[in-house]
Amino acid sequence: EVQLLESGGGLEQPGGSLRLSCAASGLTFSSYAMSWVRQAPGKGLEWVSAINGNGGSTYYSDSVKGRFIISRDNSKNTLYLQMNRLRAEDTAVYYCAKHYGDFVHYNPGFDYWGQGTLVTVSS
Amino acid sequence: QSALTQPASVSGSPGQSITISCNGTSSDVGGYNYVSWYQQHPGKAPKVMIYDVSNRPSGVSNRFSGSKSGNTASLTITGLQAEDEADYYCSSYTSSTHPFWVFGGGTKLTVL
Repeated sequence: EVQLLESGGGLEQPGGSLRLSCAASGLTFSSYAMSWVRQAPGKGLEWVSAINGNGGSTYYSDSVKGRFIISRDNSKNTLYLQMNRLRAEDTAVYYCAKHYGDFVHYNPGFDYWGQGTLVTVSS
Repeated sequence: QSALTQPASVSGSPGQSITISCNGTSSDVGGYNYVSWYQQHPGKAPKVMIYDVSNRPSGVSNRFSGSKSGNTASLTITGLQAEDEADYYCSSYTSSTHPFWVFGGGTKLTVL
């Protein structure tokens, strides 16, 4: 059974940094692209960033490009999101999500999601 | 404002059927057969109910079905049950540069 477990969320001041982790089990991790998707309190879902199976290609939404960095360590079956220059509007639950296949382009979407980790940006 | 447009709420009585629409453009819903529907109960992670417009993952009830016509996708739930009460989100791959996947604003399904 595929399991995704996020960690690293918490309260951070505007301008600060946080690093989220997502530990994966029950799958050949390197065979799948992964994404981070966030959900602001009471709001809908927003795709944030994606990375292909070998980590060689990364992609970002315009709202986080230049501030967030996605990476993965396939030897540890772990996905990361380094969040820098945080803003109040980054406050959300952050989900890691597994894609169908190890590619990002023309990928149907997400078949497994973690339980999420809450990031709150406030002074 | 979400890229895909869904009704904010729908409701139905147990046993009835409901349909949730998802309006996009030729750059997303209309351009690809990569429409998914996710169910989210309060405080829980999303769960995929439909992928590739009309395919059901293993374990999802056949009461859930999906379709697409032009730039509009639809999710139909037949034989409504109390456990179906949740938020439902549509999503589509998009050819817009950023992002690659867009979501609807979500539809709250109430089982009366």
